[in-house]
Amino acid sequence: KQEVTQIPAALSVPEGENLVLNCSFTDSAIYNLQWFRQDPGKGLTSLLLIQSSQREQTSGRLNASLDKSSGRSTLYIAASQPGDSATYLCAGRETSGSRLTFGEGTQLTVNP
Amino acid sequence: DTAVSQTPKYLVTQMGNDKSIKCEQNLGHDTMYWYKQDSKKFLKIMFSYNNKELIINETVPNRFSPKSPDKAHLNLHINSLELGDSAVYFCASSQDWEGELFFGSGTQLSVL
Repeated sequence: KQEVTQIPAALSVPEGENLVLNCSFTDSAIYNLQWFRQDPGKGLTSLLLIQSSQREQTSGRLNASLDKSSGRSTLYIAASQPGDSATYLCAGRETSGSRLTFGEGTQLTVNP
Repeated sequence: DTAVSQTPKYLVTQMGNDKSIKCEQNLGHDTMYWYKQDSKKFLKIMFSYNNKELIINETVPNRFSPKSPDKAHLNLHINSLELGDSAVYFCASSQDWEGELFFGSGTQLSVL
């Protein structure tokens, strides 16, 4: 059974800093992995989806990588802004059609 | 033009009551989901439907019954509500059972 872990649980950085959020999964037979952000009291917004055949995906200041052999994915945020403050969640799908297993999230605060 | 919409946004009710949460998506997706987010913000899947057929049914009390009248709708009916049912319930959809998930804004259920 796939387990997903995100460390750290919370992170506070000054504006402008480049940062990396980490996501670890236990089963390397991962089909795809998705990164989301959740603002307080809101739903989840999809940021990036990486298929198992891909090593990374980019969208604007965000770059997500996937290393199946080490069971890790990272979300890189360049030039962080206060508007980036949110909880970031990663979720892995073990096989096609299986459930998406979520990590517990990293709460990011970007200070002006 | 909300892609995944769920109603109501807030639901406050007494123990023992029966309530429903409605979800609709206008993305033309084949697969829909219900997730529960507990007080620790951990997201766990409850049900998944693909083309109106149940494909994932986690260990959820049978007081919870999903109903999919068509591909665009997945409603959640809860009988005999208990205090422990208090949580935020999220509806989501994806193009197919392995695609990127898109979430609704959530229904905060409070059972008194």
